[in-house]
Amino acid sequence: RKEVEQDPGPFNVPEGATVAFNCTYSNSASQSFFWYRQDCRKEPKLLMSVYSSGNEDGRFTAQLNRASQYISLLIRDSKLSDSATYLCVAYYGQNFVFGPGTRLSVLP
Amino acid sequence: DTGVSQDPRHKITKRGQNVTFRCDPISEHNRLYWYRQTLGQGPEFLTYFQNEAQLEKSRLLSDRFSAERPKGSFSTLEIQRTEQGDSAMYLCASSLGWTTNEKLFFGSGTQLSVL
Repeated sequence: RKEVEQDPGPFNVPEGATVAFNCTYSNSASQSFFWYRQDCRKEPKLLMSVYSSGNEDGRFTAQLNRASQYISLLIRDSKLSDSATYLCVAYYGQNFVFGPGTRLSVLP
Repeated sequence: DTGVSQDPRHKITKRGQNVTFRCDPISEHNRLYWYRQTLGQGPEFLTYFQNEAQLEKSRLLSDRFSAERPKGSFSTLEIQRTEQGDSAMYLCASSLGWTTNEKLFFGSGTQLSVL
């Protein structure tokens, strides 16, 4: 079993749709969690940290459920520019462990 | 530019050759990481440094791979006797290394093609 698992994707959604990504992690000692965005042939870029209380940044909402070892990312009113791969990341033991990513295509 | 920089951006080599990549982290960052990424996969951890000390190395890492970070500044990743399976994007990243709120910042990567 991989340490961080994500929805396999790809997700193809129309502009304006709401889309949710799910992620699970296996190491209960994980300290912090993040969502990164990666465009094709580019490096991953930090989208947002994920806190237990849930946090929101504009159209993006991230949730963490430590009991279920589950993380989610919700994108509302999706834009063409949101098309990318979204990577779920768990941080523990000074290491950042990445999931395989979920690819999103927002269609006009 | 104060971000993480990597050199070269692209490297094409023949099987059996040695290659070396360089990474310059964000200047105030103590930790430096190397990852490898293949198409359709997330970044896979290779190794990391806290200042000049190499603290962890992936069990999956072949002994053909070696990394250094002399003086705790830039780092190099060398692959000896390259194989076609080494073709991938090699990503360097850095983080502060002393907070409880660590975040990782990546360079643009080095795309390696082994022919």
